[in-house]
This record gives sequence, structure tokens and C-alpha cells, in this order.
Amino acid sequence: EVQLVQSGPEVKKPGESLKISCKGSGYRFTSYWIGWVRQMPGKGLEWMGIIYPSDSDTTYRPSFQGQVTISVDKSISTAYLQWRSLKASDTAMYYCVRPLTGDWYFDLWGRGTLVTVSS
Amino acid sequence: EIVLTQSPGTLSLSPGERATLSCRASQSVRSSYLAWYQQKPGQAPRLLIYGASNRATGIPDRFSGSGSGTDFTLTISRLEPEDFALYYCQQYGSSTELTFGGGTKVEIK
Repeated sequence: EVQLVQSGPEVKKPGESLKISCKGSGYRFTSYWIGWVRQMPGKGLEWMGIIYPSDSDTTYRPSFQGQVTISVDKSISTAYLQWRSLKASDTAMYYCVRPLTGDWYFDLWGRGTLVTVSS
Repeated sequence: EIVLTQSPGTLSLSPGERATLSCRASQSVRSSYLAWYQQKPGQAPRLLIYGASNRATGIPDRFSGSGSGTDFTLTISRLEPEDFALYYCQQYGSSTELTFGGGTKVEIK
């Protein structure tokens, strides 16, 4: 089965670091881009950035550039989203997504990782 | 950045009725690179339509998409109980800044 399996929910304090993961299975991981989408509580969807696992070519939405880091470990078919210093405003559901083709609409979604940042 | 404005914010309809959802872009969307997603509470979004009018795999034919340039429409010909959900449009014509609309909630009247 083709799927993206995300890591479990996280509860962190402001200022802490965090790395969440997304493992692709059932397909050739290095042949498809993987992106991240944020959904703040009760709000809409925001694309954060995307990475090509084969060569780690990465594009960030400008508003997320410098705020998060997207990376991959292709040896274990896993993509990551990382924060160095969390803020309360990072509280959200984070989805990893995969476009089917070189066009960046997303046919495959992970179930999401809920990140809660609270003191 | 291309801003997508969805209307109405909420659509109150009965099962069997026709739903028409609008997505308007602040500038022309290249090559009709527009997608529609459905999201139900507690679930990840699901791709319905890509390329403005192409149904994704497994999507029933009561869902259809149309439009070009700055004006796009998602139509659900006859609402089934499972269609009451949130719907988002997304443009992917700009590879450096993909954007989503704010969403339309289709609720049971």
C-alpha cells in the first residue's frame, strides 16, 4: 500500500527544538517530491515547503524560510520537518504530502502530526 | 503570492441538492493549475480535482471542476450525506509559492 506514515503527537515548551518525521512506503521514495502543509487549529491549509529526496533540492514558502528546516534520509525513506526554537504559534497539525507528478498538487497525504507548544 | 478567495464561506444545503463552490484567484493561474480537496473533521484532506477539471482516482462523477484564468468552480451535482465537509482550492501554477483558499464548508440544511 502506498502511504505516508507520520510520527506521533508532540507536546513541547516554547524555545524547545523538535523534528517530526514522515516515512514513505509502497513506492520509490526518491522519485517523488515530499512537502509539508500546516493547519493551525480551526484554520485553513498552508503550504510550507517541499523537497526532492533524490538530491535534497528544497523549496520553501518565503514566510517559512529560516523558520523550519525540511530534510530527508533517503536510506530510510523518511522526510523530516524541524524547528530549532518552537513558539506557541507553531501549534498546529502538520501534514506531509506527496505530489503524484511534477505538478505540485497532492494526491497522497499523511494522517498528520499534531504539535502543541505550550508553557 | 497568488491569493485564492473561496465563496461562500458556508453553504447550507440538503442531500440531493446541487452545490456550487467558487474559487477566485488574485491573478491568473498558469495553465489552470488548480486543485480541489475535501476535508472531513479529524481527517487529512483528500484530492478531488486537479488541472481545474480532472477527477482524481476514485472520485465519483458527481464531483466536477471547471474554470480557467482567475475563476474556478467545484460542482457537486447531487449531494450525498458523505459530501458534507470542508472544501479547499489550491493553485500550483507558481512553483515557489503554492497557495490554498480559505475553504468553503458545506453543511446540512
